[in-house]
Parts: sequence; C-alpha cells; structure tokens
Amino acid sequence: DIQMTQSPSTLSASVGDRVTITCRASQSISGWLAWYQQKPGKAPKLLIYKASSLESGVPSRFSGSGSGTEFIFTISSLQPDDFATYYCQQYNSYPYTFGQGTKLEIK
Amino acid sequence: EVQVLESGGGLVQPGGSLRLSCAASGFTFSSCVMSWVRQTPGKGLEWVSGISGSGGSTYYADSVKGRFTISRDNSKNTLYLQMNSLRAEDTAVYYCAKGRGIYNYWYFDLWGRGTLVTVSS
Repeated sequence: DIQMTQSPSTLSASVGDRVTITCRASQSISGWLAWYQQKPGKAPKLLIYKASSLESGVPSRFSGSGSGTEFIFTISSLQPDDFATYYCQQYNSYPYTFGQGTKLEIK
Repeated sequence: EVQVLESGGGLVQPGGSLRLSCAASGFTFSSCVMSWVRQTPGKGLEWVSGISGSGGSTYYADSVKGRFTISRDNSKNTLYLQMNSLRAEDTAVYYCAKGRGIYNYWYFDLWGRGTLVTVSS
C-alpha cells in the first residue's frame, strides 16, 4: 500500500498568512493526488485534484503543486473560513490512501 | 440537486452485521465509480471499498476484505455496503463518495453527510 505522510500535523496561523502543507508518498504516484478540506461534523470537500487542478467554485487562494512523491498545498492568504483540517489523498492505485491530516488553527 | 445520502448506520454487537445504503440523485449514477470512506471519531479518513460503474469490479481495503461487500443497483441509483463480522475497530462514520476521473484514476468530488456505525456490546 502507498503511505501518505502529511506535515505538519498542526499549523497555527493568522488571517492573511500564507501557509503550506506538504504531502509525501511512499512511492511515485505521478500527479494522482487530491486535497480535501474538512470542517468539524461535515463531510470532506474537494479542493484540488490531479495535484494542481482547482475544483470548480473553489477560491483561487488555494493551490497545489508537485509530482512523483512530493506535493505542496498552499493557501495564499488565509481567510477566517479556512480554519479546518486538510487531507491529501492518492488515487494512483488501490487501496486509495489518505494523509493523516493537517489541522489549521487560529494563532 | 446533486447529492448522495447514506442510511443504515446504528449500534451493533461485535460479530454482527449491518447493511449501509447510499441513495444518489442528480447525476448519471451508472457512469460513476463509487466508494465508501470511513472516519473514526477524532481520527483521519480511511478508504474502505470502491466499485466500478457497472458493478463488475470491486476493490477493498485489507482491513475489511472478506468481511465487507460493496454492491450497487443502478436501476435504483443506490450503493450498498454489507458489513459482516463487525469489530470494535469498525466503529466510524461511513461516507458514501462519488468518484470522478479517468481510466482507473478516481478522486471524490461529492460526499454524503455520513452515517455512524457503532460496534459495541
């Protein structure tokens, strides 16, 4: 199985900050990576697919990059609504696997 | 409205069985890969099982292989997860998720609200 490792596990930041989250795969997954946002008590929401493609309706302050085994997720200017937990997910091969999540907290 | 809605969760004893359902609407269900993803309380996400649009191909996480069976009825736009030999570690919120992508590369663009399964005596 492909292991997905996210860092950091927790991130404290302020409104307006630029933040980045890293996701590493235990083997190459090409660009088959998605990023999701999840708020407490809610289902995950797709933000980015194919490593860097922005889902329709998602604000352009969210972006993704990378290929192979290392991927970056960036929020260019944090908004109050962005404080949530973020997950990466590889869909290169079954079983699909998720990172352990990054909780973005208000500093 | 495009949505998926899970049902069938509840409290079950260890070793028991439960069947989850996911009713889909607003999209061409038979064209979509569908999956079940679970989340243990306070923990992360775990993909559980997936099924092709026709139902001819199914996939499972090792943790549930041999105990869970995914199926679909395209005439009813409904996805199922039959869960047998349930264990305490199967306790989680189970989400139904619609796949989008190409070939065998599918990510999840639509999720349900989830249904809670609790395995406890």
